[in-house]
Amino acid sequence: AQSVTQLGSHVSVSEGALVLLRCNYSSSVPPYLFWYVQYPNQGLQLLLKYTSAATLVKGINGFEAEFKKSETSFHLTKPSAHMSDAAEYFCAVSELSGYSTLTFGKGTMLLVSP
Amino acid sequence: SQTIHQWPATLVQPVGSPLSLECTVEGTSNPNLYWYRQAAGRGLQLLFYSVGIGQISSEVPQNLSASRPQDRQFILSSKKLLLSDSGFYLCAWTKRGAPNTGELFFGEGSRLTVL
Repeated sequence: AQSVTQLGSHVSVSEGALVLLRCNYSSSVPPYLFWYVQYPNQGLQLLLKYTSAATLVKGINGFEAEFKKSETSFHLTKPSAHMSDAAEYFCAVSELSGYSTLTFGKGTMLLVSP
Repeated sequence: SQTIHQWPATLVQPVGSPLSLECTVEGTSNPNLYWYRQAAGRGLQLLFYSVGIGQISSEVPQNLSASRPQDRQFILSSKKLLLSDSGFYLCAWTKRGAPNTGELFFGEGSRLTVL
């Protein structure tokens, strides 16, 4: 069975600082991995996805994530935080079994201070 | 291009009243459809999924039901709402068949407050 652990329910950074949101997964087969962002009272929007091509994946809004198989990690980073990055971020894993649903982490709320 | 819409966006209902949330997908056919709920501090909870018309699977026992009367329409219902049904409801779809990464596409969400 697949699972996702996001370390830290809340992460606080200053504007211009590095953003690092951690995600570790468990999967019995090579996974597909995703990061979604959710702004208040909105649906989830895909930031980026890993689909077994390049291990460093670039997404929208300057975010990127690196797939590290040996560490079973898919951490999300951004070199310089912007106030507009304040949102909740979800990591998810897919094994494409059965009805192809994603397993989500519990989410990390990113707070950006001026 | 594919789009997904759900409505209403906001709903305030008394305890014991019925519920109907609707979701439609455009620009694709035979999608898998999903209803998720977000309660405060509890992440995303998968409620129902459907792989075809009239085919509904429930992930958790609850006061809610789902129906899929048409290929691209998914409805979430309740006959009598409970306070615990309050939350943010998200409809989502994913494609079937190859290539398929399992990526989910979400609607805008429906905020339900039960008083």
